[in-house]
Amino acid sequence: GAGVSQSPSNKVTEKGKDVELRCDPISGHTALYWYRQSLGQGLEFLIYFQGNSAPDKSGLPSDRFSAERTGGSVSTLTIQRTQQEDSAVYLCASSLIGGNEKLFFGSGTQLSVL
Amino acid sequence: GQSLEQPSEVTAVEGAIVQINCTYQTSGFYGLSWYQQHDGGAPTFLSYNALDGLEETGRFSSFLSRSDSYGYLLLQELQMKDSASYFCAVRDQTYNTDKLIFGTGTRLQVFP
Repeated sequence: GAGVSQSPSNKVTEKGKDVELRCDPISGHTALYWYRQSLGQGLEFLIYFQGNSAPDKSGLPSDRFSAERTGGSVSTLTIQRTQQEDSAVYLCASSLIGGNEKLFFGSGTQLSVL
Repeated sequence: GQSLEQPSEVTAVEGAIVQINCTYQTSGFYGLSWYQQHDGGAPTFLSYNALDGLEETGRFSSFLSRSDSYGYLLLQELQMKDSASYFCAVRDQTYNTDKLIFGTGTRLQVFP
C-alpha cells in the first residue's frame, strides 16, 4: 500500500476485555515495529519483527501483550484482560530492512480502557 | 542501554530560528535520527546523521558531534506549521534487536 495502515483508529473497551490491533505495513518492508505512546510522552518500544520472526520482544509490558506477524506482512498486537494503564496510542512502523534509520509510521490506534 | 535527553518544550515566533538539543548515552552508536510529530499525527522522518557535522535539508538542519554524544536539530524561518513535537532517536543493535530508541520529545510552539 501507499503507507502504513492501522486499524481501528480508535478503540474503546472495558477493563478486562481483550483487544486486537492491526497493522498493514508498506508492501515489501521486512522490518516491523510496534511502539506505544502515552499522552504527551515519548515512544515506548514494544516489539520488533524481521519477517515473521520477533527477535526482540523485550518491550512488551507483561504477558498480557502478544503480537504476531504473518506472511511477512500484516501484524496483530493483542492485549488480553485490558487494564486502564494500557490506554495509549499504539503505533506501528515499518522499514525496508532492519537497521534502516527511516521508519514509516502509521497513524496509530488510540486505545481507551474504561 | 540507550538513553536520550531533550528539552521538554521550546517556544519561538514565526520567522525565528530555534535549536533543539539532544544528548545521548549508548552502548554502541551508529547515528542520530530526528522525527517530527504533529498533534494526533504519525511521526515522520526528518533526518539522519552518522558522521560529525551539519546536514542541511531546506529550512531544517541537523548536527552531530560523536565525541560529545550530542546533536541538535536547527529549524530556520519558522512557520506556524512547524509547531509539533520533535524526537531524536538512536539505534539499538545489541544482540537480537534492531530497534530505534526515541527521546522523550521536545514540543515546539511557534507563535505569530
